[in-house]
Amino acid sequence: KAGVTQTPRYLIKTRGQQVTLSCSPISGHRSVSWYQQTPGQGLQFLFEYFSETQRNKGNFPGRFSGRQFSNSRSEMNVSTLELGDSALYLCASSRGSSGTDTQYFGPGTRLTVL
Amino acid sequence: KQEVTQIPAALSVPEGENLVLNCSFTDSAIYNLQWFRQDPGKGLTSLLLIQSSQREQTSGRLNASLDKSSGRSTLYIAASQPGDSATYLCAVPFSYGGSQGNLIFGKGTKLSVKP
Repeated sequence: KAGVTQTPRYLIKTRGQQVTLSCSPISGHRSVSWYQQTPGQGLQFLFEYFSETQRNKGNFPGRFSGRQFSNSRSEMNVSTLELGDSALYLCASSRGSSGTDTQYFGPGTRLTVL
Repeated sequence: KQEVTQIPAALSVPEGENLVLNCSFTDSAIYNLQWFRQDPGKGLTSLLLIQSSQREQTSGRLNASLDKSSGRSTLYIAASQPGDSATYLCAVPFSYGGSQGNLIFGKGTKLSVKP
């Protein structure tokens, strides 16, 4: 069974640009969650999608947005990039709710903002 | 507000030693607790999930225990190997209105097992 895949694996952008990250969950999983990981803050929750609906959103500015498609694939978008957005972005999928079922994480997308 | 703490932040042990990693949480009304492993620059790998009704879970050389009343969980690694070197994170779900949401993570314990 294929795991969670994320594309691209690495990205370099400059301040002010926007970026779109993609996540393909494990087949049959309906929940996709996104997390930002930085050395200082650790793992912080961005948002969760379940059956194309946003279930939860973390405490991030509106520049961070996401969506989920009917095949459960998810994308997140960051507009007007700032230096502080440099981080490892991880997505995780689960069969049911992110809080009740085992979470399976992808390898992450390393975003560097110059 | 739920907070998850892991102490120590880093641990170095010789190969073959048995070790315990600690995780504490401030709100004991958790639905479950998960332990993950993260290798440098990689994603997280789920190790064990303990439901709130369980006291412990085992997988190979790993044993995780849960004491909700004291707000603590431990991950016991038997006969450690250099391949166990990684950062270990624990996480609990955010509870709201009877539902379970996103995971709240500790900062992790970075384990180094020396040959």
